[in-house]
Amino acid sequence: QKEVEQDPGPLSVPEGAIVSLNCTYSNSAFQYFMWYRQYSRKGPELLMYTYSSGNKEDGRFTAQVDKSSKYISLFIRDSQPSDSATYLCAMKDYGQNFVFGPGTRLSVLP
Amino acid sequence: EPEVTQTPSHQVTQMGQEVILRCVPISNHLYFYWYRQILGQKVEFLVSFYNNEISEKSEIFDDQFSVERPDGSNFTLKIRSTKLEDSAMYFCASRASEPGVHTFGSGTRLTVV
Repeated sequence: QKEVEQDPGPLSVPEGAIVSLNCTYSNSAFQYFMWYRQYSRKGPELLMYTYSSGNKEDGRFTAQVDKSSKYISLFIRDSQPSDSATYLCAMKDYGQNFVFGPGTRLSVLP
Repeated sequence: EPEVTQTPSHQVTQMGQEVILRCVPISNHLYFYWYRQILGQKVEFLVSFYNNEISEKSEIFDDQFSVERPDGSNFTLKIRSTKLEDSAMYFCASRASEPGVHTFGSGTRLTVV
């Protein structure tokens, strides 16, 4: 089983839709959960950062972490064409083990 | 907003040659990282660096790789004898105290021919 799994997509939605992106993981030692956005040929850009379980909201973005199910989600409300990018989940334990998911490619169509 | 700066943006090198990829992390950050992303694949951790020494490295980071912080601002990744399979985007990242909050540079695209 891969350490972090993520549906690669591509996921296409109309402008204004709610987008749901998900990752599952196998390592129960992960404590820090991140979502990064990556535009083509650019570095990842941090969107959301959560420690342990729970929800976090920032503008149109909501991150959810369910450690009991080893499942994390990112919701994007009122999606815009500028949200079109690859979304990477990432996870970290208390040490230096920092693992990215393979990414989901999102297209928001005008 | 503070940025992590990487140079060059694109480097082409012949197989067997040495390359040095350069990074200027954010000035008050203490932890530095190199990651690699082969085209179409996921971002992979290479090495972390803190207090002037390597704190962790992955299996990818073999004897062909080395890192250095030659002065107070630069952080470099050296590949001693490049192979075709080293072709990838190399990202530098840095962070302050918050463990998950990495700031990434725009990357150096390394092409080995």
